[in-house]
Amino acid sequence: GDSVTQMEGPVTLSEEAFLTINCTYTATGYPSLFWYVQYPGEGLQLLLKATKADDKGSNKGFEATYRKETTSFHLEKGSVQVSDSAVYFCALSENQFYFGTGTSLTVIP
Amino acid sequence: GAGVSQSPSNKVTEKGKDVELRCDPISGHTALYWYRQSLGQGLEFLIYFQGNSAPDKSGLPSDRFSAERTGGSVSTLTIQRTQQEDSAVYLCASSLFRDNNQPQHFGDGTRLSIL
Repeated sequence: GDSVTQMEGPVTLSEEAFLTINCTYTATGYPSLFWYVQYPGEGLQLLLKATKADDKGSNKGFEATYRKETTSFHLEKGSVQVSDSAVYFCALSENQFYFGTGTSLTVIP
Repeated sequence: GAGVSQSPSNKVTEKGKDVELRCDPISGHTALYWYRQSLGQGLEFLIYFQGNSAPDKSGLPSDRFSAERTGGSVSTLTIQRTQQEDSAVYLCASSLFRDNNQPQHFGDGTRLSIL
């Protein structure tokens, strides 16, 4: 069945460091891929999405490219800020949404 | 507001009691989803509605869990005879319609604690 595997945390980075959170997926067809972010005490918010192979989703300085050949959708940001501290969830949608277990990011000044 | 609204935001109850959680989706969204988020774990799919119908109830963990949706809008998730393992954050999401490309919009969740 479909599934999402993402990098386990927690991840701690200094401000302005480069961020990568790995996400790989298993799907039977052609899913859409998403990254959601959950700030402390809040619900999940859509961060970015990509609906087909080679699409790049981007928002707030974050990017992820839909790589069908490696079944991956890694999240990257060139320079993180303290305000990026949150839990990040990778997800795919193919008849149903499947979420990864989340990766906690803490950015320290 | 224009987002998904869930109530209550927090619920503490004794083991064995019934609880009812409410979700108000974004106006006009036909698809509605319930998830459970346990400490340190990802999101566990419970059930979804297309309109008032629930085609997929496979995620409900036991027959103590039920959900309904009326008027294509508000949904309630009911847990009967609560157990301590039911303690979790219950998240509701809605989307314009059920489609792979449609993102889900989440509420802030109901944090349920069973004593």
